Order: sequence, then C-alpha cells, then structure tokens
Amino acid sequence: QKEVEQDPGPLSVPEGAIVSLNCTYSNSAFQYFMWYRQYSRKGPELLMYTYSSGNKEDGRFTAQVDKSSKYISLFIRDSQPSDSATYLCAMSALDNNNDMRFGAGTRLTVKP
Amino acid sequence: ETGVTQSPTHLIKTRGQQVTLRCSSQSGHNTVSWYQQALGQGPQFIFQYYREEENGRGNFPPRFSGLQFPNYSSELNVNALELDDSALYLCASSPRWGSGANVLTFGAGSRLTVL
Repeated sequence: QKEVEQDPGPLSVPEGAIVSLNCTYSNSAFQYFMWYRQYSRKGPELLMYTYSSGNKEDGRFTAQVDKSSKYISLFIRDSQPSDSATYLCAMSALDNNNDMRFGAGTRLTVKP
Repeated sequence: ETGVTQSPTHLIKTRGQQVTLRCSSQSGHNTVSWYQQALGQGPQFIFQYYREEENGRGNFPPRFSGLQFPNYSSELNVNALELDDSALYLCASSPRWGSGANVLTFGAGSRLTVL
C-alpha cells in the first residue's frame, strides 16, 4: 500500500462544474497538507496549504482535511478551462519541505 | 524577481552514462531541493542542499549526488544511468533551511530519457 493514494483519473467535466479531488493516506503523523497544480511541461505550483484538520477556502478553491479518516479533498467551484491540469496532493509530518510525500496526481480536463 | 530555472530542458542518455542537471534558485532563496517525477507519478524527494551541504535525503542510491555553489545554484549528478532513471527532475528552492512547503518554488524540470 502506498503512503499516499490518489486516483489518477483522468477526470473530465464541463465548464462551471464543481470538481472534487481526493487523497487518502496511511501515515497518521502527517499534519501538513498541500495541493499543487501542475500544467503540462511546468513544475508544480502550490494552490492550498493547510495544517491539521478543517477547511480552508481561497477563492474558488476549498481544501478539506479529515485526519480521523485520513482523507483530504480539494473542491473547485465554477471550474474553468484554465483549471485543466494535473492536481497533486502532498503531505508531511513536519513543517519543512524536505519530507513531503506526493500522490500520483489526478489529471483534470474542463471542457468549454 | 526571477523564478527557479533549470537546464537542460530535455536530454537523452544511454544506460551506463552519467548526467548533470543544473538549477538556479529563485532570488533570495538559499536552500535547494531535488525531486524525481516518473511518468504518471508524483514527485519523490531526492535530497536537499543548504550551505553547500546535503541536508536530508530520500530513498535514492549514492549514484545520485549533488552540489550547491556559493551563489546557491545547484547540480544533480546521476552516475551509471539505468532505464528507470527516465523521469522529470524537478528543482525547488526555498528562502531558508526549515522553510515550510508554503514557500517552496519549483522549476519546470529537466526531462531525462535513458535508452
């Protein structure tokens, strides 16, 4: 079993749809949870960064963490074609960036 | 403010050869990390450099080595290339050692193909 599991998709939705992306994990020590967006031929860019359980909202994006279920989610409201990318979840036990564990990424396509 | 730049963008090597990848960190950043991203997979941490020394290493063999220079730029060297080394190699920089993931900036990567 991988430490971080993420459905690779691909996921295809119409413009304006609500998108739900999810990851599960097995290491209960993880406390910091991140979502990255990676466009084709580009490096990952950080979208959301949360600590412990709870929700965090930033514009059209909402990140949820449920540590009791070891489950994290990213919701994208009013999805746009420009949201088409691969979304990677990542997590770490400490607040440093040399021990992050990434999911495999979910490829999302938003159709006009 | 410039971001993280990596070179070369693409390269092809044959099994057994050696490769050097280069990275210039973002302005004001003194810590550099390297990640390997195989096709269809998430990035895997290789190692991190701070003050020109390796400071943290993932589960990669010693034939993966690196350098950091006084200007904070960095190199990743891979010896005795294997087919499984084919991947996108990502460099990321952060303002200081111990920074959280919220200030980590990735470059666009170097795509290595080993034949």
